[in-house]
Amino acid sequence: DIVMTQSPDSLAVSLGERATINCKSSQSVLSSSSNKNYLAWYQQKPGQPPKLLIYWASTREFGVPDRFSGSGSATDFTLTISSLQAEDVAVYYCHQYYSSPYTFGQGTKLEIQ
Amino acid sequence: QVQLVESGGGVVQPGTSLRLSCAASGFAFSTYAMHWVRQAPGKGLEWVAVMSHDETNIYYRDSVKGRFTISRDNSKNTLYLQMSSLRPEDTAVYYCAKAGCSFSTCYTNWWGQGTLVTVSS
Repeated sequence: DIVMTQSPDSLAVSLGERATINCKSSQSVLSSSSNKNYLAWYQQKPGQPPKLLIYWASTREFGVPDRFSGSGSATDFTLTISSLQAEDVAVYYCHQYYSSPYTFGQGTKLEIQ
Repeated sequence: QVQLVESGGGVVQPGTSLRLSCAASGFAFSTYAMHWVRQAPGKGLEWVAVMSHDETNIYYRDSVKGRFTISRDNSKNTLYLQMSSLRPEDTAVYYCAKAGCSFSTCYTNWWGQGTLVTVSS
């Protein structure tokens, strides 16, 4: 199984500041045939289902604010929120869909400092 | 507007069975892969199973293989999860999730609100 490890487990950032969440996979999720990274990022607020933010490691889902961006390749990935807003308080998960069983990171709780 | 509505959850005893349903609307259900993902109370997300749009590719996590069966009825726009030999560790909110593609190796881009399954004696 591919193990997804996020860091940090929790993060407190001031409004308007940058937030960075890292995700490391135990194996590469980069497909040599498609040259795509099978990595997504989700945001989950309390009492709500997860919401897709980023897929193919760096493609922003339609409607997601451009302050959210994804980067990285193979085994190391980053979700960046360029200017934290109050509504961004949530738990963020990375997710690999390269091979079954598809796995999620343990989650990173983002709070306002 | 994409809608996924799960149903069938409840409180059951260990060793019993339960069938979850997910009614889909607002998109061409038969052309997308569909997943089940669960979340134990206060815990993270755990992928359970996926079925491609045409049922040719089906995958499960090891802990549910042989106990859970994913299926779909494209004529009814409905996804199912038949769960048997339930264990206390299966207690979770079960989410139905639509893939962004027809094949199984794809991200999920829409999730239902979930249905709670509690396995307890």
